[in-house]
Amino acid sequence: DIQMTQSPSSLSASVGDRVTITCRASQGISSYLAWFQQKPGKAPKSLIYATSTLQSGVPSRFSGSGSGTDFTLTISSLQPEDFATYYCQQYNVYPLTFGGGTKVEIK
Amino acid sequence: EVQVLESGGGLEQPGGSLRLSCAASGFSFTNFAMSWVRQAPGKGLEWVSIISASGGSTFYADSVKGRFTISRDNSKNTVYLQMNGLRAEDTAVYYCAKTVCGVTSCPPFLDYWGQGTLVTVSS
Repeated sequence: DIQMTQSPSSLSASVGDRVTITCRASQGISSYLAWFQQKPGKAPKSLIYATSTLQSGVPSRFSGSGSGTDFTLTISSLQPEDFATYYCQQYNVYPLTFGGGTKVEIK
Repeated sequence: EVQVLESGGGLEQPGGSLRLSCAASGFSFTNFAMSWVRQAPGKGLEWVSIISASGGSTFYADSVKGRFTISRDNSKNTVYLQMNGLRAEDTAVYYCAKTVCGVTSCPPFLDYWGQGTLVTVSS
């Protein structure tokens, strides 16, 4: 199975900050990397697929980059509604696997 | 508008069975593979299973293989997860998700998720 390792596991940031979350795959996954946002008590919401393509309706302050085994989610200017937990996921091979999550909290 | 609605969760004893349902609308159900993902209380996301648009191809996580069965009824726009031999570690919110693919050989990005249904396994 491909292991997905996210860092950090949590971070504190202020509104307006630039936030970067990294995700590393234990083996190459081409560009088949997705990012999801989850707020407490809610279902995950898809943000980005194919490493860098924004899902419809997702604000442009979100961006993704990377290739092979190393990937990044960046929020260019953190907004109040962005405080949530973020998960990366590889969908290159079965079983599909998720990172452990990064909780973004208010500083 | 794409909608995915899970049902069938509840409290079940260890060794028991439950069948989850996922009713979909707002898209051409017969053209897309569907998947189940679960989340134990306070934990991260764990992929469970996927079924192709035709129902002819399925994959499972090792943790549920041989105990859970995914199926679909394209006449009812519904996908199911039959869970047998339930264990305490199966306790989780179970989410149903639409994929962007028709076949399981296509990399299955999970684009729309339901709100989930809680399964609790306890005596």
